[in-house]
Amino acid sequence: EIVMTQSPATLSVSPGERATLSCRASQSVGINLAWYQQKPGQAPRLLIYAASTRAPGVPARFSGSGSGTDFTLTVSSLQSEDFAVYYCQQYNNWPRTFGQGTKVEIK
Amino acid sequence: EVQLVQSGGGLVQPGGSLRLSCAASGFTFSSHWMSWVRQAPGKGLEWVANIKKDGSEKYYVDSVKGRFTVSRDNARNSLYLQMNSLRAEDTAIYYCARDIGVTRGVTGDDYWGQGTLVTVSS
Repeated sequence: EIVMTQSPATLSVSPGERATLSCRASQSVGINLAWYQQKPGQAPRLLIYAASTRAPGVPARFSGSGSGTDFTLTVSSLQSEDFAVYYCQQYNNWPRTFGQGTKVEIK
Repeated sequence: EVQLVQSGGGLVQPGGSLRLSCAASGFTFSSHWMSWVRQAPGKGLEWVANIKKDGSEKYYVDSVKGRFTVSRDNARNSLYLQMNSLRAEDTAIYYCARDIGVTRGVTGDDYWGQGTLVTVSS
């Protein structure tokens, strides 16, 4: 099983600032990685797939990068609606596995 | 409009069974892989199972293999999760989700059901 490790666990950011979230895989997953956003009481929302492709309707301030074992999700200028928990998920191997999540909170 | 509407769930005793359903509308159901993902109270997301477009391939997380069965009825636009031999650690919100469908395999899940709570307790 591929273990996905996200860092940091919590990120405190002021509105308008840049947020950088990391995700590391225990072995190469190529670019077979997705990022999700989840707000309290809501289902997850797909942001990024194939490591860097934004899902339809996702604002351009969200960008993904990386390949192999190291990936990054960047939010260029945090808006109030972006404060949430973010998860990475690999789909290169079965079982698909999620990271433990990064909570982005208001500083 | 794409919609995934879940039903089933509730309180069940350890060792019991439950069947979750997910009714799809607004898209060609038979053209998409489908997933089940769960989230224990206050915890992160855990992928549970996937089923291929025509139901010919199924994949499970190790902790549910032999106890849970994913199935689909493309004629009824419906996805199911039969859960047997339930344990306390299966307590979670269960979500059905649709794969975005940009490749022949799985990619990311772009539409999600509203979630249904399964509580396993005596």
